[in-house]
Amino acid sequence: QKEVEQNSGPLSVPEGAIASLNCTYSDRGSQSFFWYRQYSGKSPELIMSIYSNGDKEDGRFTAQLNKASQYVSLLIRDSQPSDSATYLCAVGGGSGGYNKLIFGAGTRLAVHP
Amino acid sequence: DAGITQSPRHKVTETGTPVTLRCHQTENHRYMYWYRQDPGHGLRLIHYSYGVKDTDKGEVSDGYSVSRSKTEDFLLTLESATSSQTSVYFCAISKQGATFNEQFFGPGTRLTVL
Repeated sequence: QKEVEQNSGPLSVPEGAIASLNCTYSDRGSQSFFWYRQYSGKSPELIMSIYSNGDKEDGRFTAQLNKASQYVSLLIRDSQPSDSATYLCAVGGGSGGYNKLIFGAGTRLAVHP
Repeated sequence: DAGITQSPRHKVTETGTPVTLRCHQTENHRYMYWYRQDPGHGLRLIHYSYGVKDTDKGEVSDGYSVSRSKTEDFLLTLESATSSQTSVYFCAISKQGATFNEQFFGPGTRLTVL
């Protein structure tokens, strides 16, 4: 059983729309939650970190965390074709230890003009 | 940019040969990690290090060994490469002083085992 689950996609949204990416995790003791963006053939790039329940906004990105439901999401407002990439959810601080992250398999986002 | 380089960036080798991948960092970070990335599996931790000569296994460590004799270098060795080890390998670091355990990745090494 995977510990971090994401819909593989592709999630297709029109330019200017809101893209909503979701992630669930199984370890209730998890304390830290991350979203990475990965362009094809490139390395993952950290775009959002969240540690407390609620919303965290950074520019066009909003991360949402609900620990009771073991759910974390990423909203991308005013989506642009340059946002087309695979988005990886990562969870840490659970039973695996403070410095280890568990990654989901990623959701592929396609933003079309 | 976390100052991480990986070498080689691409390698093709044959089954049964030993292979060593190098991760080099320039910012003196304590924690370093090796991951592999395969379609449908995301990133999986192979080994990590929490200091010079201090290493531990991740979830997919079989067939791999690591060494860290200097803070700046973390080596991943495939003792006898197999086709199942064909993958993209990423090194990562946790920045000292960063909130919790944010990790930052190197550019990756694409390894093909024939």
